[in-house]
Amino acid sequence: DSGVTQTPKHLITATGQRVTLRCSPRSGDLSVYWYQQSLDQGLQFLIQYYNGEERAKGNILERFSAQQFPDLHSELNLSSLELGDSALYFCASSAQETYNSPLHFGNGTRLTVT
Amino acid sequence: TQLLEQSPQFLSIQEGENLTVYCNSSSVFSSLQWYRQEPGEGPVLLVTVVTGGEVKKLKRLTFQFGDARKDSSLHITAAQPGDTGLYLCAGRRTGAGSYQLTFGKGTKLSVIP
Repeated sequence: DSGVTQTPKHLITATGQRVTLRCSPRSGDLSVYWYQQSLDQGLQFLIQYYNGEERAKGNILERFSAQQFPDLHSELNLSSLELGDSALYFCASSAQETYNSPLHFGNGTRLTVT
Repeated sequence: TQLLEQSPQFLSIQEGENLTVYCNSSSVFSSLQWYRQEPGEGPVLLVTVVTGGEVKKLKRLTFQFGDARKDSSLHITAAQPGDTGLYLCAGRRTGAGSYQLTFGKGTKLSVIP
């Protein structure tokens, strides 16, 4: 058990809809990362927050947004969903911002857009 | 273009065989990490290497960081069915200005009993 909790585990929704994915980091971890994993693209970095501040942005679409709250949990909002957004979405946390700090991953949210 | 290229993409071997998987890039990394991911779960860290030429061992797994810190390899001796999974390398680039961790697409390993 990594200590990172993601909800929901599965989500099925229709095109055009909006969903919110939730992540609770490990106790004490200040940094939260969001990744999208698909079969053809692998694990793609979306966005990182550190203690409530956005720190880095990857290949995140404009239809997607995220935030980290004062209690350090984070939410990833996906809107105007398309079939191609179907993927596994992972949240990870780390204690520090260093070059060798490990990421602790949750078990992901599987999003299916129909 | 993928920043980190992993090869092979798929590997199916018999129990007891040895194998090596590779992680290559044209970029220099401050550190490289290897993760293993099993179906339905998130990746789990196996090792971090930070010094060029560094070799780390974890039981039957041997990890090496290239001298120029652009590549890494993972060697498994006497593979067992429990080694089955997706092996991912991930790196943080030198001077990238962020702590973003970039992943390769992974090597999917199947060890047949």
